[in-house]
Amino acid sequence: DSGVTQTPKHLITATGQRVTLRCSPRSGDLSVYWYQQSLDQGLQFLIQYYNGEERAKGNILERFSAQQFPDLHSELNLSSLELGDSALYFCASSAPGTPAGELFFGEGSRLTVL
Amino acid sequence: AQSVTQPDIHITVSEGASLELRCNYSYGATPYLFWYVQSPGQGLQLLLKYFSGDTLVQGIKGFEAEFKRSQSSFNLRKPSVHWSDAAEYFCAVGAGNTPLVFGKGTRLSVIA
Repeated sequence: DSGVTQTPKHLITATGQRVTLRCSPRSGDLSVYWYQQSLDQGLQFLIQYYNGEERAKGNILERFSAQQFPDLHSELNLSSLELGDSALYFCASSAPGTPAGELFFGEGSRLTVL
Repeated sequence: AQSVTQPDIHITVSEGASLELRCNYSYGATPYLFWYVQSPGQGLQLLLKYFSGDTLVQGIKGFEAEFKRSQSSFNLRKPSVHWSDAAEYFCAVGAGNTPLVFGKGTRLSVIA
């Protein structure tokens, strides 16, 4: 158990819909990262937050948005969903002062868009 | 731009045999290098990391990796594979606080 909690574990929805994925980082971790894992693209970095502020942005679509709340949990919002958005979405956290690579991953939220 | 190449999509080894998973990277600065493992239905777990110093690094579960700057490689090795090592292995590169760039992974199957 990494200490990072993601909900829901599985989600099935239709094209055009909107979903919210939630992540609680490990106790004490200030950074939260979101990654998308798909068969064709592999693991793609989406966005990073540090203590409530956006720190880095990767290949995140305009239809997607995220935020980190004062209690440090984070939400990834995916809207106007397309079939190609079906993927495993991972949240990861890291401790303050550690390099960006020492990540603790949650078990992921598997999104299926029909 | 930084990139990571894992040339082998799928490798099958016999239990007890040695293992080497290849990783090549492209990075403009001195990189931090990582290997992560993903078991079925699980998130990724950090196996080992290289920041600087000794180019042979030891990790968890008996794994080690060697950084070779001249070859831009960071290959993962294990002298004797166990059936529980069957998983997907990801090499990743970063620097400082830059978010990691991952390779596409190598799936390891272990046969009796």
